[in-house]
Amino acid sequence: AQSVTQPDIHITVSEGASLELRCNYSYGATPYLFWYVQSPGQGLQLLLKYFSGDTLVQGIKGFEAEFKRSQSSFNLRKPSVHWSDAAEYFCAVAPNQAGTALIFGKGTTLSVSS
Amino acid sequence: GAVVSQHPSWVICKSGTSVKIECRSLDFQATTMFWYRQFPKQSLMLMATSNEGSKATYEQGVEKDKFLINHASLTLSTLTVTSAHPEDSSFYICSARGQGNTGELFFGEGSRLTVL
Repeated sequence: AQSVTQPDIHITVSEGASLELRCNYSYGATPYLFWYVQSPGQGLQLLLKYFSGDTLVQGIKGFEAEFKRSQSSFNLRKPSVHWSDAAEYFCAVAPNQAGTALIFGKGTTLSVSS
Repeated sequence: GAVVSQHPSWVICKSGTSVKIECRSLDFQATTMFWYRQFPKQSLMLMATSNEGSKATYEQGVEKDKFLINHASLTLSTLTVTSAHPEDSSFYICSARGQGNTGELFFGEGSRLTVL
């Protein structure tokens, strides 16, 4: 069965510092991979996605993620965190076909200290 | 990008009543919509897959008679929580697949249900 693991429940970084949120997936083939961000009481906003091609994916708000097949990972990075980045981040996976739902990791809460 | 809208955003109801939540794709047709439930500080759990013109497919453990899903048109799916109880209080989020075989889902803003 497919699964997504986000090992870090809560991360605190200083404003201006770099950020890396970890995501590992379990799936037989290369799935579609996504990172979403959720502010308190809000819906989800897509940060970036990977389907195929270049393994380094650029997203919105200065985020990027790198797909590493050998490690079954899709870690999210940002070189310099802003206070407004404090939110919940979800990694998600979908099988390489249409019509299926996403499977989400448990999320990582990002706090930004000044 | 594609827009998915949910209504209402917040709803408070008495125990035993039923509540309907609407999910609309505003600028595209969605043959498939998904309903998720999110408990505080937890991840999104898929409840059911809603297909236009057919019965919804429920995930294991989700009571189909309690969570009624109707997908009567290509732009609207509804989730009705019947005979709501306090344990049904949660954040309900719908999503719809955009056109084309991209796999991307677009999410509504979510509906927070509080059952007193």
